Amino acid sequence: QPVLTQPPSVSGAPGQRVTISCTGTSSNIGAGYDVHWYQHLPGTAPKLLIYRNNNRPSGVPDRFSGSRSGTSASLAITGLQAEDESDYFCQSYDIGPRIWVFGRGTKLTVL
Amino acid sequence: QVQVVQSGAEVRKPGASVKVSCKTSGHTSSDYLIHWVRQAPGQAPEWLGWVHPTTGGTSYLEKFQDRITMSWDTSTTTAYMDLSSLTYDDTATFYCLREPAGGALYADFWGQGTLLTVSS
Repeated sequence: QPVLTQPPSVSGAPGQRVTISCTGTSSNIGAGYDVHWYQHLPGTAPKLLIYRNNNRPSGVPDRFSGSRSGTSASLAITGLQAEDESDYFCQSYDIGPRIWVFGRGTKLTVL
Repeated sequence: QVQVVQSGAEVRKPGASVKVSCKTSGHTSSDYLIHWVRQAPGQAPEWLGWVHPTTGGTSYLEKFQDRITMSWDTSTTTAYMDLSSLTYDDTATFYCLREPAGGALYADFWGQGTLLTVSS
């Protein structure tokens, strides 16, 4: 099954900006399918953070933003806070097998 | 507010079956899909399929066609995922999630996950 590629971990100090990349292929992100981002604290329900590349659901701070270009997408978090320490994973759709595809997740550590 | 609550952890022997439930509430319309994904330790989530609460229609990942069944109970707004012929490789956390109307292709609400351990 196709998998989106994310870095295993990123870190930043409080107040800093970090980005998390999500790389796909020509059959998913590169085919124009949207990328969505979720925040996941292990043991809890994942939470929708960004949908359709750059849209925030109600209640998500504007410190979180997303972008997509070519076969990749990025999640940016500005003004890092301790509460942002979590796992983040991306998701898209793959036209080949016609399935949802996910990244393995990136662990964000706030130093 | 939509809520999605899954059943508790399960332990099964190889060859057995498991049925996981996913109780939903708070929907303001009936036009959505319930998907199931699973995540093995250290791996990306793997999409398994979906069930349409209104029609009962389903779609499954091809490799699971012979041993997975997804269903919906309208009276309790609960989704079920039945997986049979379990092997050690099925050990994972299973999640149900809601795809909103209009072919959104993302999930706006997830359950908390159900850990399945396959062990002899």
